[in-house]
Amino acid sequence: DTAVSQTPKYLVTQMGNDKSIKCEQNLGHDTMYWYKQDSKKFLKIMFSYNNKELIINETVPNRFSPKSPDKAHLNLHINSLELGDSAVYFCASSQAYSNQPQHFGDGTRLSIL
Amino acid sequence: AQSVTQLGSHVSVSEGALVLLRCNYSSSVPPYLFWYVQYPNQGLQLLLKYTSAATLVKGINGFEAEFKKSETSFHLTKPSAHMSDAAEYFCAVTASSNTGKLIFGQGTTLQVKP
Repeated sequence: DTAVSQTPKYLVTQMGNDKSIKCEQNLGHDTMYWYKQDSKKFLKIMFSYNNKELIINETVPNRFSPKSPDKAHLNLHINSLELGDSAVYFCASSQAYSNQPQHFGDGTRLSIL
Repeated sequence: AQSVTQLGSHVSVSEGALVLLRCNYSSSVPPYLFWYVQYPNQGLQLLLKYTSAATLVKGINGFEAEFKKSETSFHLTKPSAHMSDAAEYFCAVTASSNTGKLIFGQGTTLQVKP
C-alpha cells in the first residue's frame, strides 16, 4: 500500500548511457514532482506535472525529459548520463499544485561510474 | 524570490533534552511553510505545516513549530529528544508563483546522544 513508489531504488550505470526512473502514486493526487538531492543533501525541484500538463520546468539540462502518461505516473528519462548526474532523485505528489503538502517516494540513488 | 535558511547544519542534543531547529524564511507574500524529516535511505516525511490558520502548529512525533512573522521564523521544537529523532530535518516554503514549487533549506542533521 505504498503511497509514492519509485523504481529502481538503486541505479548504477556508465557515463554516456540512457536510463529511466519510474514513479507511481496511489493517493489520487493530480500533481507530481521530481526533485534532485545532491551529495550535500540539498534538495531542488526539477519538474512538476498537473494532470499530465507540465507546470514547472526548472533550469535542467534537456538531457532530462519527464513523461506523464497519466496523473498517477511521472517518469524521468535521462540521456547521455554524466558524472554530475549522480544524486538521489525523489518523486513526490500532492493534491493540486498550490500549497498542499507533498508526499515523497523513497528515492532512486543514481551512481555514474 | 523566496528563500529558506536553516541555522546550524548539525545539531547535537542529549536524549531527553529540548530540540530546537532554526528556520528563517524570506517571502514577499504570506508564506506556506513546512518541516520535513528524512531518515537514512528514506524519502521525506511531513512533520507539520503552517498555512496561516494558527501560528503554533503541532505535528507528528511530538514536534511543533511557531510562525513568527515579525522575525520571519518558523523554528521547530520538541520538549524531549528521543534516540529515534536522529535524522535530517528540512524546512521548506512554497514559491510565490503558487505552482506548488517547494524551496528547501539546506537541512539540519539532528544527532541524539544517549
